[in-house]
Amino acid sequence: GQSLEQPSEVTAVEGAIVQINCTYQTSGFYGLSWYQQHDGGAPTFLSYNALDGLEETGRFSSFLSRSDSYGYLLLQELQMKDSASYFCAVRDLGNNAGNMLTFGGGTRLMVKP
Amino acid sequence: NAGVTQTPKFQVLKTGQSMTLQCAQDMNHNSMYWYRQDPGMGLRLIYYSASEGTTDKGEVPNGYNVSRLNKREFSLRLESAAPSQTSVYFCASSEVNSPLHFGNGTRLTVT
Repeated sequence: GQSLEQPSEVTAVEGAIVQINCTYQTSGFYGLSWYQQHDGGAPTFLSYNALDGLEETGRFSSFLSRSDSYGYLLLQELQMKDSASYFCAVRDLGNNAGNMLTFGGGTRLMVKP
Repeated sequence: NAGVTQTPKFQVLKTGQSMTLQCAQDMNHNSMYWYRQDPGMGLRLIYYSASEGTTDKGEVPNGYNVSRLNKREFSLRLESAAPSQTSVYFCASSEVNSPLHFGNGTRLTVT
């Protein structure tokens, strides 16, 4: 089975940098993903790390350390529109070689002026 | 570009009633999924279909059934709704080793 831990809430001010951590326990590991979800909306994909290190996509970066079963999402130059919930997720190949994702409980980010 | 379309958007059921949630994708993806999301919680996998003709249980399958009607469509059925099934239901699709694309969700209340 899989389990993921992430903080339930983080608050930061506009223009700042915030880091959302995720630790996981898995029986098999095939990568760590991050999704963003605005209130009332659908989750949307942000980033994916299969190997150790940092992946950068604009203002967002994601880091993975497989030896520590740990990753984080880094958001720079925070904007009000970044207020949302952020979910980490691990991939499991499942019974039929599908693409199952197990999600963490989510971190609600509030950006203040 | 429609992506993943779910119907209905909202539904209220009485305990014991049945209903089917519909999902269709136009991205020619092989895999499709049903998740539920409860307040303050992450998404939990109910059922998935790795490819047309196959379905498998996820983390929370009890009380649900699914049908992969064809490559485009994957429906979720509640045979006898219970208040514990009050939730937001998301359908998603993907290719293997690719991100999930989610629909906008169905908000279900069971009274």
